Amino acid sequence: SQQGEEDPQALSIQEGENATMNCSYKTSINNLQWYRQNSGRGLVHLILIRSNEREKHSGRLRVTLDTSKKSSSLLITASRAADTASYFCATARNSGGYQKVTFGTGTKLQVIP
Amino acid sequence: NAGVTQTPKFQVLKTGQSMTLQCAQDMNHNSMYWYRQDPGMGLRLIYYSASEGTTDKGEVPNGYNVSRLNKREFSLRLESAAPSQTSVYFCASRGGSSYNEQFFGPGTRLTVL
Repeated sequence: SQQGEEDPQALSIQEGENATMNCSYKTSINNLQWYRQNSGRGLVHLILIRSNEREKHSGRLRVTLDTSKKSSSLLITASRAADTASYFCATARNSGGYQKVTFGTGTKLQVIP
Repeated sequence: NAGVTQTPKFQVLKTGQSMTLQCAQDMNHNSMYWYRQDPGMGLRLIYYSASEGTTDKGEVPNGYNVSRLNKREFSLRLESAAPSQTSVYFCASRGGSSYNEQFFGPGTRLTVL
C-alpha cells in the first residue's frame, strides 16, 4: 500500500491564485519530499523537509510538516500556467540500513491562464 | 552533466519477449532505483541498488531482474514480458546523505501486447 496519499487528486485554479496540496502518511519518517512531474516527463525534486522541521520555503513554495498528524502540505503561491503538472509527495524512512522512499499517488494541478 | 539517462524512450513488445532497459547516471551516486508508474498508482519501487555490487527487491519485483553493472549503470530486464508489465519505467539515483533527493531519468514507455 502507498505510504503517502495526496489530497485532492485533482485541482483546477485560476492563474494568480494559491494552490494547496496535502499529503498524509502512515509510519514515522526521516524526511518528506515533494516532486513535480510534467506530462510525459520524469519527476523533478522540489523541496525536502526533515522530520525535525515544521516549515520550509523555496521561492513560491511553502511546505509544512506535522509529524503528530503524519501530514504535510505544499502551498504554491501566485500560481502560473507553467505550474500545471502533477505533484507527488514521497516519504523517506530508514529500513534495514537502506533509506526507503515511498511515493504517493499525486495531485494533478491545472492552472488556467 | 547529463544526469540520469534511460534507453529506450519507447518500446513495444509481444507477450513472452524479453528486453533490457538501460539506465546510467553521471553524478557519482551510490544508490540507484527502478520504478514503474501506472495511472492512479503513483510510483512503485521494483528494485534498488544501495551501492555498486548490491541489489535488493522493492515493492513489485516479480517478473523483473536487475544488474548493477558498475557505479554508473543499473539495468532492468524483463525475461518474459506480460501485458501487466505495460507501464512507464523510471530510473533514479541518489547521493549518499540521508537528506538527498532522488534524480529521475525521462522514463521508458513500455507496451506489452
